Amino acid sequence: AQTVTQSQPEMSVQEAETVTLSCTYDTSESDYYLFWYKQPPSRQMILVIRQEAYKQQNATENRFSVNFQKAAKSFSLKISDSQLGDAAMYFCAYRIADSNYQLIWGAGTKLIIKP
Amino acid sequence: GAVVSQHPSRVICKSGTSVKIECRSLDFQATTMFWYRQFPKQSLMLMATSNEGSKATYEQGVEKDKFLINHASLTLSTLTVTSAHPEDSSFYICSARKGLPTDTQYFGPGTRLTVL
Repeated sequence: AQTVTQSQPEMSVQEAETVTLSCTYDTSESDYYLFWYKQPPSRQMILVIRQEAYKQQNATENRFSVNFQKAAKSFSLKISDSQLGDAAMYFCAYRIADSNYQLIWGAGTKLIIKP
Repeated sequence: GAVVSQHPSRVICKSGTSVKIECRSLDFQATTMFWYRQFPKQSLMLMATSNEGSKATYEQGVEKDKFLINHASLTLSTLTVTSAHPEDSSFYICSARKGLPTDTQYFGPGTRLTVL
């Protein structure tokens, strides 16, 4: 069975510093997608970054980047120059490439930004 | 962009009544939409997958007669909670699948349902 594990229930970081959120997953598939979603207090789920498993290059979106280690089944999110607006729940999610498009979700990590 | 709207954002109803929640993809067509339920401080729980023009696929443990889903067009899916009870009070979120090249789910802002 596919599972997604986020081992950090809560993380805190000083404003302007860098923080890394961990995510591991378990799958026997070779072709899949990985996602990080952000859910701020408004509860609107926002896509942060997306990674295709067949791509070796790590995805980046401005201050957000991932460290994708396929062999280790690890997909961590690095947030550089943390801002107060980054405070949110962050969810890691997985999907098989050729599937019914359902996402498998991690439990989430609450990120606190200290001013 | 990929914008998904959800209406209403909040609803309070009496026990025994039915409530309809709408999910719309505003700037793209979505053959597949998803309905989730989220309990406080928890992750999303998939309730059902809605495919345009066909019956929804419900997850195990979700009562299809209680949570009616209709995906009548490529931009609209509705979730109707029938004969609502206080235990149905929750935060309901929809998402819409945008196809290639991103092939990604985009989410609505959610609906807070309170059943008195």
